[in-house]
Amino acid sequence: QKEVEQNSGPLSVPEGAIASLNCTYSDRVSQSFFWYRQYSGKSPELIMSIYSNGDKEDGRFTAQLNKASQYVSLLIRDSQPSDSATYLCAVKPGNTGKLIFGQGTTLQVKP
Amino acid sequence: GAVVSQHPSRVICKSGTSVKIECRSLDFQATTMFWYRQFPKQSLMLMATSNEGSKATYEQGVEKDKFLINHASLTLSTLTVTSAHPEDSSFYICSAPRDRDWGSPLHFGNGTRLTVT
Repeated sequence: QKEVEQNSGPLSVPEGAIASLNCTYSDRVSQSFFWYRQYSGKSPELIMSIYSNGDKEDGRFTAQLNKASQYVSLLIRDSQPSDSATYLCAVKPGNTGKLIFGQGTTLQVKP
Repeated sequence: GAVVSQHPSRVICKSGTSVKIECRSLDFQATTMFWYRQFPKQSLMLMATSNEGSKATYEQGVEKDKFLINHASLTLSTLTVTSAHPEDSSFYICSAPRDRDWGSPLHFGNGTRLTVT
């Protein structure tokens, strides 16, 4: 079992719709969770971090964490073509400081 | 603005030569930096953890004699790919936590696209 799992997609949504991206992780003691966006040929950029159960909203983005189910998700409201990218879920296992990434979900927002 | 600077952004080298990649934290001190590698259409794979003043910690399967890491100061870590071969062609990205809190996110450099011919 991979440490961090995502559906590779592509996930295709029309402009203005809500895009829902999901991620599961295997290490129960993980405490820190992140969503990064990566455009083709570029390095990842941080979108959201979440540390406690529940929802965290930042603009059009909402991260959701359920530690009991070992599940973290990212919702993108009012999706724009510029949101088309690969979204990487990342988890910090324990207190190592390092990030373990999922394989990423490719999102395509169609005008 | 960028908090981690990586150089060069792109390098082409001949097989058998060595390539050095630099990673700098711009306005903070980084006692720890992380080096990742990304092959086309794959995710980021952690190669090693660079520790200022001590030896790097390598992930399983990463050859420490081939990928030399030197964390020379609190703002600079270097990765040297020695005796590069075409299979080493990849996107190498360094990262660092801005805060000392273990829960803080990693900030990434712009990456180095290495092509070995």
